[in-house]
Amino acid sequence: TQLLEQSPQFLSIQEGENLTVYCNSSSVFSSLQWYRQEPGEGPVLLVTVVTGGEVKKLKRLTFQFGDARKDSSLHITAAQPGDTGLYLCAGDPRETSGSRLTFGEGTQLTVNP
Amino acid sequence: GAVVSQHPSRVICKSGTSVKIECRSLDFQATTMFWYRQFPKQSLMLMATSNEGSKATYEQGVEKDKFLINHASLTLSTLTVTSAHPEDSSFYICSASRGASYEQYFGPGTRLTVT
Repeated sequence: TQLLEQSPQFLSIQEGENLTVYCNSSSVFSSLQWYRQEPGEGPVLLVTVVTGGEVKKLKRLTFQFGDARKDSSLHITAAQPGDTGLYLCAGDPRETSGSRLTFGEGTQLTVNP
Repeated sequence: GAVVSQHPSRVICKSGTSVKIECRSLDFQATTMFWYRQFPKQSLMLMATSNEGSKATYEQGVEKDKFLINHASLTLSTLTVTSAHPEDSSFYICSASRGASYEQYFGPGTRLTVT
């Protein structure tokens, strides 16, 4: 069973601060996705990383995939209250499509104004 | 786009009754659909994976006779919670993947409350 450990589980910061969320595993993933979920809604895909060492930026969000494709990080610069939500990483362990994803436990982020 | 809808968004039912939840991919054909359950402030727990025209694959510990999944077409999958009990109350979310993509697109979820 492949596991994804996500940390921290809870994070409460002030508007304007920076933060990093980590997603670690002992297993290799062919791809890794980051989602954000707001209360009462389904997760929304933010980004997919595929190549080891890959860095993707989405406005104030920077995503990195580890060289060995076992870990990933999400860095938010100058966090805003609108960034509040549950952040989930999910790894696809196989090369084929329609694979079941392995989800991390999630990071509940609260950005206080 | 890749839009997935769920219906209903919330449902309240009495203990012992059955409830059907629909999941539709609106603008793409979903080769595979997934059903998840989520408890408050927790991550998603995969219940089953379904491919169009074949039987669903259930995760360990998920009762297939209680959670009936039908994937009748490439755009529709249904989850029926049979003989619902209060402990089945939860947030149920479906997702769909398309073609060769490994990305999943999630529906907005269905809040089930069993009284």
